[in-house]
Amino acid sequence: EVQLVESGGGLVQPGRSLKLSCAASGFTFSNYYMAWVRQAPKKGLEWVATISTSGSRTYYPDSVKGRFTISRDNAKSSLYLQMNSLKSEDTATYYCSVGDWFAYWGQGTLVTVSS
Amino acid sequence: DTVLTQSPALAVSLGQRVTISCRASKSVSTYMHWYQQKSGQQPKLLIYSASNLESGVPSRFSGSGSGTDFTLTIDPVEADDIANYYCQQSNELPPLTFGSGTKLEIK
Repeated sequence: EVQLVESGGGLVQPGRSLKLSCAASGFTFSNYYMAWVRQAPKKGLEWVATISTSGSRTYYPDSVKGRFTISRDNAKSSLYLQMNSLKSEDTATYYCSVGDWFAYWGQGTLVTVSS
Repeated sequence: DTVLTQSPALAVSLGQRVTISCRASKSVSTYMHWYQQKSGQQPKLLIYSASNLESGVPSRFSGSGSGTDFTLTIDPVEADDIANYYCQQSNELPPLTFGSGTKLEIK
């Protein structure tokens, strides 16, 4: 059974940093692109980042480019999202998922950016 | 960027057929996928690549379309189908984009 477990969310002040983690199990992690998707409160879904199987290629929307960094550790079946220079508009539940269409989702981790 | 446009809300009677539309600002071939999100839950994949039913999803759900116009059909609608429905394209990366969602309500 595929499991994705996100962690690392919390309350953070604007301008500060936070690192999210996603522990994956139930599939061969190193064979799949991985992604982060977020959802602001009462809003729709927004893709945040994608990483290739080896980690050599990463992709971001303009809204987070230069501030967020996606990475992975295939030996640990883990995905990460380093978020710097956080803004109030980054407040959202962050989900990790698999591939470029998202058959599996974790339960999400809530990030609140507020002073 | 490929913009996906969905109607904000639809109201349907139980037992009836409903179609939820998604229009892309440019062709995405058949790289269109549909998700259901119930209140307080994570999204769930229903349809991938325009018309393929995800494993475990009831056959009441179906998808069609190619290019720029896509539909998700639920027939018949059940009370458990009350949710928000999102389309998402993966023809272009970056960025992957989602529609703004359609809220399905019961009349």
